[in-house]
Amino acid sequence: DTEVTQTPKHLVMGMTNKKSLKCEQHMGHRAMYWYKQKAKKPPELMFVYSYEKLSINESVPSRFSPECPNSSLLNLHLHALQPEDSALYLCASSQDRYSYEQYFGPGTRLTVT
Amino acid sequence: AQSVTQLGSHVSVSEGALVLLRCNYSSSVPPYLFWYVQYPNQGLQLLLKYTSAATLVKGINGFEAEFKKSETSFHLTKPSAHMSDAAEYFCAVSFSGGYNMVIFGAGTRLAVHP
Repeated sequence: DTEVTQTPKHLVMGMTNKKSLKCEQHMGHRAMYWYKQKAKKPPELMFVYSYEKLSINESVPSRFSPECPNSSLLNLHLHALQPEDSALYLCASSQDRYSYEQYFGPGTRLTVT
Repeated sequence: AQSVTQLGSHVSVSEGALVLLRCNYSSSVPPYLFWYVQYPNQGLQLLLKYTSAATLVKGINGFEAEFKKSETSFHLTKPSAHMSDAAEYFCAVSFSGGYNMVIFGAGTRLAVHP
């Protein structure tokens, strides 16, 4: 299984809502990533988890809260988002944090109203 | 500092014509190079990768790329464009050793017209 899955595919939320994005992989990878992609732009790294521990936080606002409950699962908890946070959120995984190849999921299209 | 430059944010070709998407990188260490394709409202799909083996790399969907160290380039080509090739293409670079970080180019939107 070489697939990274993400749910939901689409999410619309108000600025006062709390929601979560989910990412799952069963490739035995020990590094997982969250990226944010705005329209017509490349993905921007948000967070990196290595062996279920947060390794990199690219100065992301605290309204985004990542969580890695186990080696297969990565969540992104959302609270009090702004309209400018509307974007495609991509999850990726790699064998470990030193591996050069990342596998991407299909993304969650988030719209904040 | 490492970086990736994609020349041309938009490329338009006729169906059946050669596709050439340009990518140049800057790196102080041996790089790993990738091309990803992204169809509308979808995630990134790996087209091909260069990992210091053969300099001519063949990927999926008939694409290939050649690593030229002297030119610090990794251009993507396909001999004959198909309508289904219309998408956004990202060149990316990663580095051996140390903490892996992937740096993406700005992307090139490929349009294919009949």
